[in-house]
Amino acid sequence: DSGVTQTPKHLITATGQRVTLRCSPRSGDLSVYWYQQSLDQGLQFLIQYYNGEERAKGNILERFSAQQFPDLHSELNLSSLELGDSALYFCASSAEGTGDEQYFGPGTRLTVT
Amino acid sequence: GEDVEQSLFLSVREGDSSVINCTYTDSSSTYLYWYKQEPGAGLQLLTYIFSNMDMKQDQRLTVLLNKKDKHLSLRIADTQTGDSAIYFCAESGKDSGAGSYQLTFGKGTKLSVIP
Repeated sequence: DSGVTQTPKHLITATGQRVTLRCSPRSGDLSVYWYQQSLDQGLQFLIQYYNGEERAKGNILERFSAQQFPDLHSELNLSSLELGDSALYFCASSAEGTGDEQYFGPGTRLTVT
Repeated sequence: GEDVEQSLFLSVREGDSSVINCTYTDSSSTYLYWYKQEPGAGLQLLTYIFSNMDMKQDQRLTVLLNKKDKHLSLRIADTQTGDSAIYFCAESGKDSGAGSYQLTFGKGTKLSVIP
């Protein structure tokens, strides 16, 4: 158990809908990263937050957004969902977000039908 | 941009050593990681090595880093059936524009252990 929790574990929704994925980092970790794992693209970095502030953006679509709250949990919002958004979404946390090791949550499997 | 390459498949007999190889392109990589993913599960951090090290050993795992060739390997001694999984190599280098250390992953190597 990495100490990073993600909810829900599975999510099935229809095209055009909006969903919110939730992540709680390990106790004491200030940085949260979101990654998407799909069969064709592999594991790709989406976005990073550090202590409530956005630090970096990767291959994140404009339809997707995220935030980190004062209690350091983070949410990833996916809107206008398309079939191609079906993937595993992972959250990872690290203490400082400065190259230290990242610990991953169990992931949320999103299926868009 | 950064790129991390791994072979896709490796098959070994139980009790043998497994060696999974990885090459990367980002010379500014700070840390290099190995993660394990079992079917239907998340990513488990196995080990990592700082870029100024050549080798790191942790029980059955040995990581070798050749910084000149940008080559990283993971050796698993006495491979067991429970080691069957996908192994991801990842590098973390500072994104000079953003100050971020996001991970860039390879596609993963599927290790199959034959009893």
